[in-house]
Amino acid sequence: AQKVTQAQTEISVVEKEDVTLDCVYETRDTTYYLFWYKQPPSGELVFLIRRNSFDEQNEISGRYSWNFQKSTSSFNFTITASQVVDSAVYFCALSEPTDSWGKLQFGAGTQVVVTP
Amino acid sequence: EAQVTQNPRYLITVTGKKLTVTCSQNMNHEYMSWYRQDPGLGLRQIYYSMNVEVTDKGDVPEGYKVSRKEKRNFPLILESPSPNQTSLYFCASSSEGGGDTQYFGPGTRLTVL
Repeated sequence: AQKVTQAQTEISVVEKEDVTLDCVYETRDTTYYLFWYKQPPSGELVFLIRRNSFDEQNEISGRYSWNFQKSTSSFNFTITASQVVDSAVYFCALSEPTDSWGKLQFGAGTQVVVTP
Repeated sequence: EAQVTQNPRYLITVTGKKLTVTCSQNMNHEYMSWYRQDPGLGLRQIYYSMNVEVTDKGDVPEGYKVSRKEKRNFPLILESPSPNQTSLYFCASSSEGGGDTQYFGPGTRLTVL
């Protein structure tokens, strides 16, 4: 069963609009880590953020912000004032001790298309 | 520059012809992993290694082999590739387990005809 669900397959926005990417995860562990990665058209995977399960503070980094809510098992990602360079596939991922900490479990990804 | 390198970046081969994709990291990381990326499925782990000579299966290990003879290198071996192994492959490394951030190589696009 998929442990990380990214229900949005593709989101299209016009430049300067905000876009929110949903991520819902499933785990029985109390200690776990959540990640977001960006995959631009060039194909590499770029690390964006790592959050542990004990830190529910929202985080902001420039135009990027993350909303972690344990009560709903969600770790959503918002891009404010989107730009064409934000066009990419974004992956949410989970790391939990039942997998010997060696595995990242990825969602299917959300394709973001930003048009001028 | 801290990085994970993979070679080759692109490979077209035929069914049954053994191939090796190399992976090397210069960060002295303990953990290394291989993932494959397929449309609609995200990335799935093939194998991982916690240290030299210590490897374990991930979610989709069938048809693949790995070895970890040196800390920096973690090659992926396809002894008899089949068309269903056509995919985009990523190597990753992290300094330790415990949910440490994994850093990815540039990817290897493999086509098996």
